[in-house]
Amino acid sequence: SAVISQKPSRDICQRGTSLTIQCQVDSQVTMMFWYRQQPGQSLTLIATANQGSEATYESGFVIDKFPISRPNLTFSTLTVSNMSPEDSSIYLCSVMTGTGEQPQHFGDGTRLSIL
Amino acid sequence: SQKIEQNSEALNIQEGKTATLTCNYTNYSPAYLQWYRQDPGRGPVFLLLIRENEKEKRKERLKVTFDTTLKQSLFHITASQPADSATYLCAQGDSSNTGKLIFGQGTTLQVKP
Repeated sequence: SAVISQKPSRDICQRGTSLTIQCQVDSQVTMMFWYRQQPGQSLTLIATANQGSEATYESGFVIDKFPISRPNLTFSTLTVSNMSPEDSSIYLCSVMTGTGEQPQHFGDGTRLSIL
Repeated sequence: SQKIEQNSEALNIQEGKTATLTCNYTNYSPAYLQWYRQDPGRGPVFLLLIRENEKEKRKERLKVTFDTTLKQSLFHITASQPADSATYLCAQGDSSNTGKLIFGQGTTLQVKP
């Protein structure tokens, strides 16, 4: 299965700043997703990163707050903009080869704390 | 909206026993369910997928069932080991069938030696 690397693995940021998280895959994949996992909670899908076009956002998430890029089939970035303490969470990248009922493969996440 | 629920209380069992975790879904009948394992500080790892027309799926010590009447999936680990201690997540495919998943909140399993 695909190997996913996320950077940084963790960070502590000041409120009002922005942080870009990178997701690199060792092989070409069809789908790339970004999730948020708040402390003690399950995963919530933020958006689907589309190669060469704007990401598809889920209800409650907007591009101005979470801009996403996917310039090719192996790389994506998620930016958390104008951060507040409520953005403290784990952000996870996942990938899928094919579509539909295929399993997803996850990176180990970026643990973000906002002061 | 689609909703999937797991028992949020931790499950504690003795080594060698069978662990049974429950996943219930409402408002939508998914074509498939997936089960993942998540260890602290790590991303979820895919374990098993079961389709709606499959009653049961097995992989080594793991068994998953899918009951469309009860709208429930059960996940069993037989001959459990302390190394099986982790959080187990159930996920259903989104109705758009694009591969998006909706996750339950997970059940933490603790296997005591």
